[in-house]
Amino acid sequence: DAKTTQPTSMDCAEGRAANLPCNHSTISGNEYVYWYRQIHSQGPQYIIHGLKNNETNEMASLIITEDRKSSTLILPHATLRDTAVYYCIVRLLDNNNDMRFGAGTRLTVKP
Amino acid sequence: DGGITQSPKYLFRKEGQNVTLSCEQNLNHDAMYWYRQDPGQGLRLIYYSQIVNDFQKGDIAEGYSVSREKKESFPLTVTSAQKNPTAFYLCASSLLYRNTEAFFGQGTRLTVV
Repeated sequence: DAKTTQPTSMDCAEGRAANLPCNHSTISGNEYVYWYRQIHSQGPQYIIHGLKNNETNEMASLIITEDRKSSTLILPHATLRDTAVYYCIVRLLDNNNDMRFGAGTRLTVKP
Repeated sequence: DGGITQSPKYLFRKEGQNVTLSCEQNLNHDAMYWYRQDPGQGLRLIYYSQIVNDFQKGDIAEGYSVSREKKESFPLTVTSAQKNPTAFYLCASSLLYRNTEAFFGQGTRLTVV
């Protein structure tokens, strides 16, 4: 799986949009971009994923650049409960799926 | 309810003892994974399995062993050869060949004294 690069930490004001970037410059054509988050001492929680097109669900939006070398997770109206570590990973959906995580971005939402 | 369950939540062991962490899923998932997390760090892959009776080493497999005798179960044994076993251990499962997410258990915090 391709490696990803994320900023170590970010702050966001409550009620504002949180934009979390991820670089995956070596991504291959059949690898999906997935985002998870981990609230302290819990198991990671799935947020959203995509291949080429932008995606939106009830939690967030995912914007993938046209060359697919980077993406941005958008939390449109961040709340204090969105404070967590956010992980961006890329995954092949075949029989060699090892699902590796990096260090993630620690997002702190401030009042 | 469908899900993935890790037990116990907290585990204490004396140095030099082997200990086995349980991970069970009733989601009919093909793939299962074990991760280790140290304070303030990301997840590091220990072992993963994509099919019964088969598993592959991740990045930090030394000092750990696994088995996959049943599709729903993927226990992890932390052996006495693991030099720094105190950590938070997370298990996950997912479908293969499908455009879906992985599910994680709530973790086991192992403390070796």
